[in-house]
Amino acid sequence: QKEVEQNSGPLSVPEGAIASLNCTYSDRGSQSFFWYRQYSGKSPELIMSIYSNGDKEDGRFTAQLNKASQYVSLLIRDSQPSDSATYLCAPRAGFQKLVFGTGTRLLVSP
Amino acid sequence: DTEVTQTPKHLVMGMTNKKSLKCEQHMGHRAMYWYKQKAKKPPELMFVYSYEKLSINESVPSRFSPECPNSSLLNLHLHALQPEDSALYLCASSQVRGRGYEQYFGPGTRLTVT
Repeated sequence: QKEVEQNSGPLSVPEGAIASLNCTYSDRGSQSFFWYRQYSGKSPELIMSIYSNGDKEDGRFTAQLNKASQYVSLLIRDSQPSDSATYLCAPRAGFQKLVFGTGTRLLVSP
Repeated sequence: DTEVTQTPKHLVMGMTNKKSLKCEQHMGHRAMYWYKQKAKKPPELMFVYSYEKLSINESVPSRFSPECPNSSLLNLHLHALQPEDSALYLCASSQVRGRGYEQYFGPGTRLTVT
């Protein structure tokens, strides 16, 4: 069974802090990894993709991948209240399938 | 332009009705997807079309019938639904070549079955 595990949260951080979101996956064959942000009542929005071990930075977001440990994370620097949302980790399993984790709810307090 | 559009935004239908959800993308993507999402759950894949052909059906009940008339359009025909089918229905699209197959979602159709 291919599984993706995320802490459901909520993860509460003060404004301006670093939020760290973690994800572990069971399928060693996964080669592509995606982070989606989903606001309540809205659709998922792709915010980061990562394919190689190491870090990938895009603005305030940094994705980190460690395939040996089957671990992927998302760091959000200078967190803002507008970052409050559910963050979904989604490794790609097979040709066109994403396996979504249950998501981590992030709350950023002013 | 990373935009996928879906109509209608909201739909209320009875269990004996027939309705259709529509999705359109203009990103030149050749793969399109239907997902179902229940409250506080992640999206669940229903169907995948690749080059306008159905490539994945995740054992979805036959009361859901997908259709891909061309590379930009995707429909989901609904018939004799059950109240438990009430959910957010999401369309997504992606490339079919390259490394990532990044999927971009539309805004969704909120379906209520009464």
